[in-house]
Amino acid sequence: GQQLNQSPQSMFIQEGEDVSMNCTSSSIFNTWLWYKQDPGEGPVLLIALYKAGELTSNGRLTAQFGITRKDSFLNISASIPSDVGIYFCAGVGGSNSGYALNFGKGTSLLVTP
Amino acid sequence: NAGVTQTPKFRILKIGQSMTLQCTQDMNHNYMYWYRQDPGMGLKLIYYSVGAGITDKGEVPNGYNVSRSTTEDFPLRLELAAPSQTSVYFCASSYSGRRASGGPTDTQYFGPGTRLTVL
Repeated sequence: GQQLNQSPQSMFIQEGEDVSMNCTSSSIFNTWLWYKQDPGEGPVLLIALYKAGELTSNGRLTAQFGITRKDSFLNISASIPSDVGIYFCAGVGGSNSGYALNFGKGTSLLVTP
Repeated sequence: NAGVTQTPKFRILKIGQSMTLQCTQDMNHNYMYWYRQDPGMGLKLIYYSVGAGITDKGEVPNGYNVSRSTTEDFPLRLELAAPSQTSVYFCASSYSGRRASGGPTDTQYFGPGTRLTVL
C-alpha cells in the first residue's frame, strides 16, 4: 500500500471552534474518502470526492480533492462534542492500480464543552 | 438493510488455535474486503474478493485465508493464531472495486469490527 501522511495527529479544541485536517500522498488517486471512527465501531463514510478540485459539503463538514490529486483536506465548522472521534482519509485508485483503500493514520479529535 | 455485519465482536485465542471471522453484507455488493487495524494506525488490507469464487491477496495476507462461496459472505480464517495477529479486524464491501475515473462505486462500507486478542 501507499503511505498517506495525515495531519495533525491529534487535536484538542473547544466546542464551537473550526477544525481543519489534511492528507498528502506521493502518488495520485482517483478518489479521496473521509471516514470517522467512533470507539469500538467501524469507520463511517463522511464525504467522498471523485474529481480533482472538487469541493463537497456534508452539513458542517467540507472536503476538497486537491488539484494535483495528491492531497485532500477536511474542515469541520462550529465543532460540537459529538464530533469527537478519529478521522481517517483514504485514497483509492490512481497510479497504484489496486482496489484497496490506502489509509492515513488518522486524526484524533477531542472537543470540550 | 443491515449493511455489513461481523461476528464475533470480541474473541480471545491461545497461540496456535484457529478461528473464522464471519462477514456478511446484504447490499448485493460484488467486492468485499478484510482489513486489520493496529493501535494508532490506519487500516491495512489483508484479502479482497471481486466476486463469488474469486479472491486475492492484499498488503498483509500472511497467516490468513479467505473464501467467497456466495456474494453475501466473506469469512476470514486464521489457522495458527499468533500474538502478531492481535488486532481489530474490519470487513468492508463496495459495489465494485475501482473505476478509472473514480465514482460512487469506489466507496467502501465497513462492518463494526471484530476485536481479536491472541495470548
